Amino acid sequence: QSILTQPPSVSGAPGQRVTISCTGSSSNIGAGYDVHWYQQLPGTAPKLLIYGSINRPSGVPDRFSGSKSGTSASLTITGLQAEDEADYYCQSYDTSLSSSGVFGTGTKVTVL
Amino acid sequence: EVQLVQSGAEVKKPGDSLKISCKGSGYRFTTYWIGWVRQMPGKGLEWMGITYPYDFDTRYSPSFQGRVTISADKSVTTAYLQWSSLKASDTAMYFCARLGIEPTGTGFSFWGQGTLVTVSS
Repeated sequence: QSILTQPPSVSGAPGQRVTISCTGSSSNIGAGYDVHWYQQLPGTAPKLLIYGSINRPSGVPDRFSGSKSGTSASLTITGLQAEDEADYYCQSYDTSLSSSGVFGTGTKVTVL
Repeated sequence: EVQLVQSGAEVKKPGDSLKISCKGSGYRFTTYWIGWVRQMPGKGLEWMGITYPYDFDTRYSPSFQGRVTISADKSVTTAYLQWSSLKASDTAMYFCARLGIEPTGTGFSFWGQGTLVTVSS
């Protein structure tokens, strides 16, 4: 069972804004570790969307943004598009796991 | 162009050993950490461990410590994930992925295509 909790699903109409939360604790996000976000389309390898909690790799549309506060982080998609329908995962590190990495539980985004 | 190319799908029996590979190209192999991620059928991503090919420093998730071995051979720019005795519960897709220079601050920026491992009697 992951120690980074995400909502199982979120949905929105095209053009709307959706936010996915990633709730951790004082041993991971709250300990100062960065949060990274990945998008996984069906049958494909994950793709890095946000690194270092707020940074977008080259080529990632600016409708994707990340934030972090306290023991939580969020991924926001502004101007939802049909191709954004996918699974999304947060990822960080945890001192209680010998500082190994951990992924969040994952969130399915559905475009209505 | 950075590429990670994984070995092909495997079908094994419980108790078999297995070593799958991930060949990196298009970058200095020894400069970046490389790791493995498990995805069981219909489930989420699981962080297994990472290795630094420069000095072979390797870190495991407690969930996988002792169950798998992660290694790298810089002479052939390839990382490996191996099992000494497979179980049916090891059936999953396994992805290799490359981190940035600083392992915790950069995320897995490049991914292999995945290797499907099926363990069945």
